[in-house]
Formats: sequence, structure tokens, C-alpha cells
Amino acid sequence: KAGVTQTPRYLIKTRGQQVTLSCSPISGHRSVSWYQQTPGQGLQFLFEYFSETQRNKGNFPGRFSGRQFSNSRSEMNVSTLELGDSALYLCASSLRPPGLAFNEQFFGPGTRLTVL
Amino acid sequence: GENVEQHPSTLSVQEGDSAVIKCTYSDSASNYFPWYKQELGKRPQLIIDIRSNVGEKKDQRIAVTLNKTAKHFSLHITETQPEDSAVYFCAARGPPREYKEEGGSEKLVFGKGTKLTVNP
Repeated sequence: KAGVTQTPRYLIKTRGQQVTLSCSPISGHRSVSWYQQTPGQGLQFLFEYFSETQRNKGNFPGRFSGRQFSNSRSEMNVSTLELGDSALYLCASSLRPPGLAFNEQFFGPGTRLTVL
Repeated sequence: GENVEQHPSTLSVQEGDSAVIKCTYSDSASNYFPWYKQELGKRPQLIIDIRSNVGEKKDQRIAVTLNKTAKHFSLHITETQPEDSAVYFCAARGPPREYKEEGGSEKLVFGKGTKLTVNP
């Protein structure tokens, strides 16, 4: 079974631009979560989706948004990019609906975003 | 909200020695505690997890212990090998009550990570 995939793997943008990142979960998985990983802040939760609905959101500004499609694929969008948005963006998928006991999350390889 | 502290931030051991990484969490209602290993340039991979109703879990050279009273959990790696060198993250999953509607949340709150180096 194929793992979680993310595209693109690397991205370079300039300040003020916007970017869309894509995540395809493991086949059959319906929950998708997004995390931002930076050297200073570590792994921080952005948001999660299940059945095309945002179920939870982390403490990020409104410039960060996302959505999930009927096939469980998810996208996240960052508008008006800032230098501090440079990070590795990871998505993770899980099989069962959110919050059920001990639902393991499988991570994708991430998208490395560099903002110049 | 939940807060997870992880120590040490770096750890260097000799091959064959044991390594211990400790984490504390703030929300006593957290019920799931996974550990992830991230090698350089790769994705985080789950290596072991523990549920709040279990005090200890072991998988070959890796073990995790949980003390719910003290709100801390630890990763133990025995007979370390150079391929164990990586960054290790602990995490806690907040209680379902964080999410207003039925169900719950998969949100994981991570520690800042421990860079483990195993010297041959």
C-alpha cells in the first residue's frame, strides 16, 4: 500500500506570494492533519480534516487555510507569504475518524517551502 | 491547552549503551503518547506508542514507560546502534473534549525533539 504522498517536495517563493501544497493520504484513510516543522518551534499543528470538514485548527494566522476533497486528498494554502513561513510542511493521515482511541498517524515526506 | 516538554535536547552515547529520553505533559486528560523517529531529511516515523491505561510497553530494544500521576513518559533504547542516530520526538494527544462536536481530534502536541547520536 502506498504511503502518504505530498507535492511538491520543494518550493521556493518570494514574500507576498501565495502557495498551495497537496497531500494524498494512504488509500482508505479519511483523516488528514497538517503540521509545520521549523528548527525553532519544532512540529506545530496547523489543522485537521475529516470527511471534507475542518475538525480542529491550531494557532496560526488566517493566512493559513486548507481543505479536503471527497477523495480525502487535502490541500493547504498560505497567502501573503512571510519569511517566517519557511518550513517543512508535513501532512499525516490516519484510518479512523478523529479522536478515536489510539489512531496512529502516518506522515508524508513533507514539502520544504523556502520564502525569499 | 496541552504542553509537552522534552529533555534532553541532545544526547550522545556509545554504541551498546542505553539512551533515555524524557517528556512531561500538562493535561492530565491526554490519553495517547506516541514517539516518532526522524532521520535527517526523512519523514517522522512512529516507533512506539503507549495508551493512558498502560504503564509500560516494550518492542525489542525500545520501551516506553508512562507515569500518569506525575504526567511524564520516557523512551528507553537499549543496546544502541549507529542507525539509532536520529531526532526523536515525543507527543501527546489532547483529550477529545478539546473538540466541541462529537468525535475528537487527532491533534498531536509534540516535544521539541532530542537529537540522539550513537558513536561507534
